[in-house]
Amino acid sequence: SYELTQPPSVSVSPGQTARITCSGDALPKKYAYWYQQKSGQAPVLVIYEDSKRPSGIPERLSGSSSGTVATLTISGAQVEDEADYYCYSTDTSGNRGVFGGGTKLTVL
Amino acid sequence: QVQLVESGGGVVQPGRSLRLSCAASGFTFSSCPMHWVRQAPGKGLEWVAIISYDGSNKYYADSVKGRFNISRDNSKNTLYLQMNSLRLEDTAVYYCAREIPQQPFDYWGQGTLVTVSS
Repeated sequence: SYELTQPPSVSVSPGQTARITCSGDALPKKYAYWYQQKSGQAPVLVIYEDSKRPSGIPERLSGSSSGTVATLTISGAQVEDEADYYCYSTDTSGNRGVFGGGTKLTVL
Repeated sequence: QVQLVESGGGVVQPGRSLRLSCAASGFTFSSCPMHWVRQAPGKGLEWVAIISYDGSNKYYADSVKGRFNISRDNSKNTLYLQMNSLRLEDTAVYYCAREIPQQPFDYWGQGTLVTVSS
């Protein structure tokens, strides 16, 4: 079955840039989406269609995709950005979804 | 405002069945594909199933295919997940989530916990 691969953890100091990658063979043909999940809460969509930001999401969060790798970038990371981040996409048929394993972002 | 409220979770023995519900409000439910997503304790998100806006198309993760059935009643603005032959590894918080054009899972419910235990 199709898989998306993320690093388990990323750590940065406040004000630094954090980059979280998501690898998948179908990403050249399928969009990537990113979700932020803070402890005990439901996930929140932060990036859709590789690089678009829903209203209300800070501009310091951005997304990009090149080849088989999608990247979530948090420029000038803040303590409140500490969370688990998940990428999501679909298989090549577009019918079945898949999440990456998640990346725990630590800002300290 | 958009609201999704799951219910029906609980403790169930392996091999038994359970039906989850997700009551939707604040939007045109009958226009939106809907998903179930689950999260085992301390683990990541796992996509479970999707149903089209009219219920005509359904797709499942390999881990639940043949055991789970997603359905909807647009007259009641409610999404369902019938879970049969439950296994220990089905223990998770189950979320329902809405999909709108270009944005899957733009709204999530608060989740309902299913515990499969003997």
